[in-house]
Amino acid sequence: DGGITQSPKYLFRKEGQNVTLSCEQNLNHDAMYWYRQDPGQGLRLIYYSQIVNDFQKGDIAEGYSVSREKKESFPLTVTSAQKNPTAFYLCASSMWSIQGQPQHFGDGTRLSIL
Amino acid sequence: GQQLNQSPQSMFIQEGEDVSMNCTSSSIFNTWLWYKQDPGEGPVLLIALYKAGELTSNGRLTAQFGITRKDSFLNISASIPSDVGIYFCAGRSSGGSNYKLTFGKGTLLTVNP
Repeated sequence: DGGITQSPKYLFRKEGQNVTLSCEQNLNHDAMYWYRQDPGQGLRLIYYSQIVNDFQKGDIAEGYSVSREKKESFPLTVTSAQKNPTAFYLCASSMWSIQGQPQHFGDGTRLSIL
Repeated sequence: GQQLNQSPQSMFIQEGEDVSMNCTSSSIFNTWLWYKQDPGEGPVLLIALYKAGELTSNGRLTAQFGITRKDSFLNISASIPSDVGIYFCAGRSSGGSNYKLTFGKGTLLTVNP
């Protein structure tokens, strides 16, 4: 089945540690996105990528890094500089069109601090 | 940045009742999307709207793109227990990036059997 796979489902980070969240899509979508979701909040954009080897900061990029070496993969690293990393992280992808296309989401990774 | 006001924040209804929720923006949007999120899962697209005045249905769900292009509405008819979840509106502003969406904070729907 076509879709977006995020792993792991749950992740724990120790103080001072970097952790990487995986996101893979087999929808042949051009664009990929990372969002952070906190309780009672809407989704906030961390980073997005329109094409391979290119990405842009979203609204809350500080303390995060990404790479886009392959069209189907867009991993997110939560660095030790992110002082409040506990949240639900969602990856999404979409096709490109002049009008814009809906984003489709994975099932998320819940990150907690040990 | 862009802001979306989604209301109500939460609703508690009896099974069989109809539900209505809406989103308003401070600027003109050219796309409105409605998503549903179940606990511990990612949002799932329900309806996409691309033209002012557009009215689109998906089963018991109906959504409309407001004529002013600054609002959108979602209605659920004859609610059932599996309608429980968080409903998000999202929009893409006119003149903005084709990629970036702005999300509302969600409407938490609880259905009492």
